[in-house]
Amino acid sequence: EVQLVESGGGLVQPGGSLRLSCAASGFIFSNFWMSWVRQAPGKGLEWVAKIKPDGSDENDAAPLKGRFTISRDNPKNSLYLQMNSLRAEDTAVYYCARWGVRAGLDVWGQGTTVTVSS
Amino acid sequence: QSALTQPASVSGSPGQSITISCTGTSSDIGGYNYVSWYQQHPGKAPKLMIYEVSDRPSGVPDRFSGSKSGNTASLTISGLQAEDEADYYCCSYTNSNIYVFGTGTKVTVL
Repeated sequence: EVQLVESGGGLVQPGGSLRLSCAASGFIFSNFWMSWVRQAPGKGLEWVAKIKPDGSDENDAAPLKGRFTISRDNPKNSLYLQMNSLRAEDTAVYYCARWGVRAGLDVWGQGTTVTVSS
Repeated sequence: QSALTQPASVSGSPGQSITISCTGTSSDIGGYNYVSWYQQHPGKAPKLMIYEVSDRPSGVPDRFSGSKSGNTASLTISGLQAEDEADYYCCSYTNSNIYVFGTGTKVTVL
């Protein structure tokens, strides 16, 4: 079964850091682009970042670039999101998702919740 | 990059057809055929419904269809069913080499 499982969310103080993980299974992880998408409480989806199969990212223009860094470890079938200098407005459910062969996010995890609060 | 513009809500009776619009610019929707649509039920992860403007993944009912004209993409649901009640989001590639989602549309089945 193709599956993505996020972990690492929790409560963090403003200014703090957190590293999210996403474990992939059921497909050849190293063949696919991956992304992180977030959703603040009661709000819409917000694209965060994408990463190529070889681990290089092309997110220079991403709004969160500079505070958030996407990375992956193909031998471990894992995707990561390093989040620094967290703010209250970063409070959200964070989803990892796979870019299918065609241009669409065809597999999603269940999400992990990040709460930034003192 | 601003979010793509969608109507906040659309409603219809069972069996009817509804269309959700997604308006962007020539830098995103108008410039590329990389528009996708996602359905999200409350408390659930999004689900891909349409990719590359008008193609359906396997398993998505053919009552869901997508199209594009200029800077506006559209998702049409024909033969509306109760289980179609959900939030819907469009997404487009942009000339900044990033993606942007729409503001989201709540579909209500009357």
